Amino acid sequence: AQKVTQAQTEISVVEKEDVTLDCVYETRDTTYYLFWYKQPPSGELVFLIRRNSFDEQNEISGRYSWNFQKSTSSFNFTITASQVVDSAVYFCALGWGDQGAQKLVFGQGTRLTINP
Amino acid sequence: GAVVSQHPSRVICKSGTSVKIECRSLDFQATTMFWYRQFPKQSLMLMATSNEGSKATYEQGVEKDKFLINHASLTLSTLTVTSAHPEDSSFYICSALGQGALVTQYFGPGTRLTVL
Repeated sequence: AQKVTQAQTEISVVEKEDVTLDCVYETRDTTYYLFWYKQPPSGELVFLIRRNSFDEQNEISGRYSWNFQKSTSSFNFTITASQVVDSAVYFCALGWGDQGAQKLVFGQGTRLTINP
Repeated sequence: GAVVSQHPSRVICKSGTSVKIECRSLDFQATTMFWYRQFPKQSLMLMATSNEGSKATYEQGVEKDKFLINHASLTLSTLTVTSAHPEDSSFYICSALGQGALVTQYFGPGTRLTVL
């Protein structure tokens, strides 16, 4: 069965600290996609990144970086020099199906609080 | 690009009434849209998959007669909560599946339903 585990329920750090959000997934499929979404207090889910199972290259986008390791079935997300605006709930998701995102299963989310 | 809207953003209704929620993909066509439900401080749970021109596919445990889904065009899907009761109060979020390079679910801003 497809499953995503985000073991960290809540994280609280002081502004400018680096923070890593963990995501571990389970699947028997060889073709799948991994996603991170941000849900600010307004409720809207904001797409951050998509990774397919054949691309293990790490990615950096500004202060955000992602580490995909198939050997440990992990897709961790790091925010460097955190800012108050980064405060939100972050969801990791596993996608599969004809187009890689036909079905999504979400982790329980990590509530990140950045304190000034 | 890849913007999804939902209307209304909030709705309060009396028990026994029906409520319709609209989900639109504004700048792309989506043959597939999804409806999720999110309870406070919980993750998203898929309710149903909506395909343009065909019947929706409901997840196990979701009553299709209670949650009516219509995908009338490539940019519009509607969810109607029929005979709403207080236990139906929740945050309902839709997503639209992009095509090609956009093979990702893009989410709407959500609709908060409160049934009195």
